[in-house]
Amino acid sequence: EVQLLESGGALVQPGESLRLSCAASGFTFSSYSMRWVRQAPGKGLEWVSAINGGGYETFYADSVKGRFTISRDNSKSTLYLQMHRLRAEDTAVYYCAKTMVAPYFYYMDVWGKGTTVSVSS
Amino acid sequence: EIVLTQSPATLSLSPGERATLSCRASQSVGDNLAWYQQKPGQAPRLLIYAASNRATGIPATFSGSGSGTDFTLTISSLEPEDFAVYYCQQRRNWPLTFGGGTKVEIK
Repeated sequence: EVQLLESGGALVQPGESLRLSCAASGFTFSSYSMRWVRQAPGKGLEWVSAINGGGYETFYADSVKGRFTISRDNSKSTLYLQMHRLRAEDTAVYYCAKTMVAPYFYYMDVWGKGTTVSVSS
Repeated sequence: EIVLTQSPATLSLSPGERATLSCRASQSVGDNLAWYQQKPGQAPRLLIYAASNRATGIPATFSGSGSGTDFTLTISSLEPEDFAVYYCQQRRNWPLTFGGGTKVEIK
């Protein structure tokens, strides 16, 4: 069974850092692009970041560019999101998502259950 | 950035009725559009990709149509488990963007 399990969410103060992890199982992790998507309380979905299968191509939303870094360890089938200089507006549930194979690899067909990040003083 | 506008914000219907949800893009996205369903406390689930293709395991009561800037998700006969929030998402350009969502609620 294809599964994604996020971890690392916490309550932190503004300006602090946090690293999220997403452990993947049930598929050949290195063959798929991966995404982070977040959802602020009571709000809609916001794409945060993307990384290709090899880990050498990354993309970021303007709202996190320069503060967040996406990476992956294909030997561990794990996706990461390193978050620095956190702000109150980063408060959200963070989901990792697997993409479909080409030519549909921008669509997210498997999602984790999410991990909650709260930024507050 | 491509803006996706979903309408209506809320759709109040009864089980067995037909639901028609709209997603309009600020510029053409071709057929590069997906629909997701999200229930309270759960992660989103992919329903439709490339505008009209059902994802694995999605029942035939769900269908997608449209291209360019205007898209529709149709649920032909609402089941109790279909009451949820639905989001569209485009993949034509970075950044990937989602619509604001349509909540389908029980009337």
